[in-house]
Amino acid sequence: EVVLTQSPGTVSLSPGERATLSCRASQTVSATYLAWYQQKPGQAPKLLIYATSSRATGIPDRFSGSGSGTDFTLTINRLEPEDFAVYYCQLLGRTFGQGTKVEMK
Amino acid sequence: QVQLQESGPGLAKPSETLSLMCSVSGASIRSTSHYWAWVRQPPGKGLEWIATLYYSGTTYSNSSLESRINVSVDTSRNQFSLHLRSVTVTDTATYFCARHMRAAVSCLDFWGQGIQVTVS
Repeated sequence: EVVLTQSPGTVSLSPGERATLSCRASQTVSATYLAWYQQKPGQAPKLLIYATSSRATGIPDRFSGSGSGTDFTLTINRLEPEDFAVYYCQLLGRTFGQGTKVEMK
Repeated sequence: QVQLQESGPGLAKPSETLSLMCSVSGASIRSTSHYWAWVRQPPGKGLEWIATLYYSGTTYSNSSLESRINVSVDTSRNQFSLHLRSVTVTDTATYFCARHMRAAVSCLDFWGQGIQVTVS
């Protein structure tokens, strides 16, 4: 079973800065099945990115995804106050990474 | 707009069976284009996939929970359910139902708000 490891566990940034979040798979995976979610306290996760780099409906273009093989990245350009949250990667509609918290510095 | 809503007891006793329901609106659970899923999140922890199901009865389950769970679809009510047997305190979590964007291996594009379940 593939394990997804996200890093860092927590990142402290200021609004306007760029966030770069990593998701590493324990073996080579298909980019077609890699997704990213955003979760705020008390809320359900929200789909941001699917198939590694496709933005879900209504997701601003400051969110972008990239990667292949075992290494995948979620980039958030020009952080807005509402972007401070926990982000999860997911593979094959089931396996989740442990999450990265983006907190305000 | 697709909406999902979990329902069920917020409290369960150890060794009991926890039964949760997910009601779907704005989409047909009989859709041949989508699978449906259960995901849970223990307090302060990450997300754990529980199971995926299709209206025809096909199911896929997390191997760590497979021996204790039963999932099913009620197409007449546009609902699907989760039954988790022999619960323990480690099953305390928020339980979410969600829709797979397409196939069972696709991402989850619509989620319910979640239902908090405490085993005590």
